[in-house]
Amino acid sequence: DVKVTQSSRYLVKRTGEKVFLECVQDMDHENMFWYRQDPGLGLRLIYFSYDVKMKEKGDIPEGYSVSREKKERFSLILESASTNQTSMYLCASRISGAGGEKLFFGSGTQLSVL
Amino acid sequence: QKEVEQNSGPLSVPEGAIASLNCTYSDRVSQSFFWYRQYSGKSPELIMSIYSNGDKEDGRFTAQLNKASQYVSLLIRDSQPSDSATYLCAVSDGGYNKLIFGAGTRLAVHP
Repeated sequence: DVKVTQSSRYLVKRTGEKVFLECVQDMDHENMFWYRQDPGLGLRLIYFSYDVKMKEKGDIPEGYSVSREKKERFSLILESASTNQTSMYLCASRISGAGGEKLFFGSGTQLSVL
Repeated sequence: QKEVEQNSGPLSVPEGAIASLNCTYSDRVSQSFFWYRQYSGKSPELIMSIYSNGDKEDGRFTAQLNKASQYVSLLIRDSQPSDSATYLCAVSDGGYNKLIFGAGTRLAVHP
């Protein structure tokens, strides 16, 4: 069965810390995504990646960076965490081309920045 | 700023009734439209996709698309308490890679 795994379900960090959120998919998908979900705002795209070492900014990339050194792994990095980055972070993946309309989501990481 | 608008709800319907969820979008060039269901504390899952004007039916679910009016809707027939969830409308922005999500409509089906 399809699986997208996020390393932590809950994470508490302090302002100014560097934070790594890890995401691994086992479906050999080319495309991977990082979203954040906030009440009343829906899902907003932070970054996505077409392939290894490829990355594209989404709608709200400020304060974030990403890394994709291997096809199955897509990491989101908060260089210096701030309280306004407290949110639910969702990783997703999908195949390219035909049949690729379906996003497979991980279970999410609830990040609290104190 | 491209937008997808949904009524946040909650939309409360009795068991067995038809639930009607609506979504409007701002970008006229959007070509692909999706409905995701998200149970409380869970991640979203795709339930319907639609690409052409008209209706698309899948079991108890019907997606409706009207590109001229820039709206897409989801009908759930014979609503069940297990349908209680938040329904997210998503619209493609130049392809599948960038989906713009609405904030979601919370549906509550009561026995």
